[in-house]
Amino acid sequence: NAGVMQNPRHLVRRRGQEARLRCSPMKGHSHVYWYRQLPEEGLKFMVYLQKENIIDESGMPKERFSAEFPKEGPSILRIQQVVRGDSAAYFCASSPQGENSPLHFGNGTRLTVT
Amino acid sequence: RKEVEQDPGPFNVPEGATVAFNCTYSNSASQSFFWYRQDCRKEPKLLMSVYSSGNEDGRFTAQLNRASQYISLLIRDSKLSDSATYLCVVSGNTPLVFGKGTRLSVIA
Repeated sequence: NAGVMQNPRHLVRRRGQEARLRCSPMKGHSHVYWYRQLPEEGLKFMVYLQKENIIDESGMPKERFSAEFPKEGPSILRIQQVVRGDSAAYFCASSPQGENSPLHFGNGTRLTVT
Repeated sequence: RKEVEQDPGPFNVPEGATVAFNCTYSNSASQSFFWYRQDCRKEPKLLMSVYSSGNEDGRFTAQLNRASQYISLLIRDSKLSDSATYLCVVSGNTPLVFGKGTRLSVIA
C-alpha cells in the first residue's frame, strides 16, 4: 500500500523560472493538503483540495502560487517566477476524510531557488 | 496569541529518563488533537491522536485538558531513537494547525 508520493525530491530553479511540484495521495484518499516549511520553522498550511475542487486556499500567497487536483492524475502545486524566498520544503499530505482527520505526509520536495 | 504554542526546547535528557511536553492552543472550538514526530529533514509522522479521556501507546501517554486548552505528551524510559522534534497539532480555522515543535535529544 504505497504512501503519499511526491516528486521531485529535490528541485533547483533559477529566479524567475517556474516550479511544479507533484503529489499522489495514498490509495483511497481524496483529500490533499499542501504545507510549506522554511528552515527552522514550523509547517504552514497552504491549500486544501479535493478532486477538482479547491476547498481552502487561505494559506496560499495570492500571486504566483496555484494548486490543482484534477480528476485524473496527481495534485500539482505550481509556483511561477520563483524568488529566493520560495526556497523551502513543500510537504503534501492526504487523508481519507475531511477536516480533523490525521494527515499522512509524503517525503516532501525541497525547492532551492538560486 | 498564536494558534498553537510549544516550548521549542531543546530538551536534553539521558536514556531512561521520563520527559513531558506541553502545548497550548487558542481555538476553544478545536475538536481534534494529535502529536507528530519529525526527524531532521524528514516528513512529519503521526505519533498518536489525543483523546479527551487521555490515551497511552507503549511508552507514550497523551492527555488533553480542554478547560485550560493544552495537551501534553509524556515519554517514559526514553530511548536514543526518541530524539526528534515533536509537533503538537490542533484542528483550527484552517485544516490542522501545526506547532513549531519541541526538540528532544536523548543522550547515552
